[in-house]
Amino acid sequence: EDQVTQSPEALRLQEGESSSLNCSYTVSGLRGLFWYRQDPGKGPEFLFTLYSAGEEKEKERLKATLTKKESFLHITAPKPEDSATYLCAVQVGQGGSEKLVFGKGTKLTVNP
Amino acid sequence: KAGVTQTPRYLIKTRGQQVTLSCSPISGHRSVSWYQQTPGQGLQFLFEYFSETQRNKGNFPGRFSGRQFSNSRSEMNVSTLELGDSALYLCASSLVYEQFFGPGTRLTVL
Repeated sequence: EDQVTQSPEALRLQEGESSSLNCSYTVSGLRGLFWYRQDPGKGPEFLFTLYSAGEEKEKERLKATLTKKESFLHITAPKPEDSATYLCAVQVGQGGSEKLVFGKGTKLTVNP
Repeated sequence: KAGVTQTPRYLIKTRGQQVTLSCSPISGHRSVSWYQQTPGQGLQFLFEYFSETQRNKGNFPGRFSGRQFSNSRSEMNVSTLELGDSALYLCASSLVYEQFFGPGTRLTVL
């Protein structure tokens, strides 16, 4: 069965204190790995797609990396506005019939 | 470019009723997927439609159904509502691989 596990479940940081979120996965037929940010009461906001081990992508204070079994979302010098739940999802399936399998998310709180 | 829109944003229903939710994808996107989000289970895949055909289906009972129209707009229907159906229902559209989500419909079943 396809599984995605995110850790930690919750993370509190002081403004400027860098850290990493983990997403480990066990899937058959990985098509891609996605990171989303979700604010309370809103839909997930797309951040990154990673397709192959060794790939890295950056956006402002966020950097996502991918290995064969896990992905990391590194947050450098976070600000309070980075507070949100960060979701990891893997795309599985083939032949155009694909779906996203999500982890439960990491709730990040950045204190000023 | 306008994002994914979902209507209504909030719904309150009672057990046994049925409900229809609507989703308008980003212009040009032909794939629409539906997800249920609850605090305990997180985001779970319901089904995906492409060119008016259901391409993939998650592990939900037959009370959950959907359809897609020729303009790519999609609807999902839940019949005989149960208390456990209370959730945020999210719609996502995609052109190739990346899925872009709407704001969701918050359904409360009393």
